[in-house]
Amino acid sequence: GQNIDQPTEMTATEGAIVQINCTYQTSGFNGLFWYQQHAGEAPTFLSYNVLDGLEEKGRFSSFLSRSKGYSYLLLKELQMKDSASYLCAVRVQTTSGTYKYIFGTGTRLKVLA
Amino acid sequence: GAVVSQHPSWVICKSGTSVKIECRSLDFQATTMFWYRQFPKQSLMLMATSNEGSKATYEQGVEKDKFLINHASLTLSTLTVTSAHPEDSSFYICSAKTRLAGGSGANVLTFGAGSRLTVL
Repeated sequence: GQNIDQPTEMTATEGAIVQINCTYQTSGFNGLFWYQQHAGEAPTFLSYNVLDGLEEKGRFSSFLSRSKGYSYLLLKELQMKDSASYLCAVRVQTTSGTYKYIFGTGTRLKVLA
Repeated sequence: GAVVSQHPSWVICKSGTSVKIECRSLDFQATTMFWYRQFPKQSLMLMATSNEGSKATYEQGVEKDKFLINHASLTLSTLTVTSAHPEDSSFYICSAKTRLAGGSGANVLTFGAGSRLTVL
């Protein structure tokens, strides 16, 4: 089956750096995505990796190691508004050749003043 | 950027009734849309992949007769929860593949705002 794991909750201080890990065991891997979701709202796209390495995008960076089935999202210079859930999602190719997106368990990040 | 519109945002219904949720791509065509369900403080669970002009592909454990999906046009997919019961109360959210602007042009998911269903 498809399995994507993240820590359930994390707490960090404003201005700090936090790393949210994601491990996955999937078949037909075709890319890994990070989304941010504030309570009661729709998820919004943050970052995307399809090859190994680091992708940097402002205060957010995401890393992927396909051989280890591992990714992380790095948030720098944390702000109070970064308090949200962070969802790791894997795009997989199905046996019929189509694609679907499977989401991990999600990590609730609380940023403290 | 691409916008996915989902209605209604909130719906309360009596047990045994059916509820229809609409998902529209406003400024692009979506041959494929995805329907997710989210329980409180949990992540998104993929229910089905909606394909324009053909039958939806349901995930294992999702009752297709209970959750009817119709994707009759390139801009509209609907999810109907039939004979709703309190255990169907949840946050339902649709999404469509859109292409990132700029260098990578990768396909990402753009989500609707979600529909919170409460079945009494």
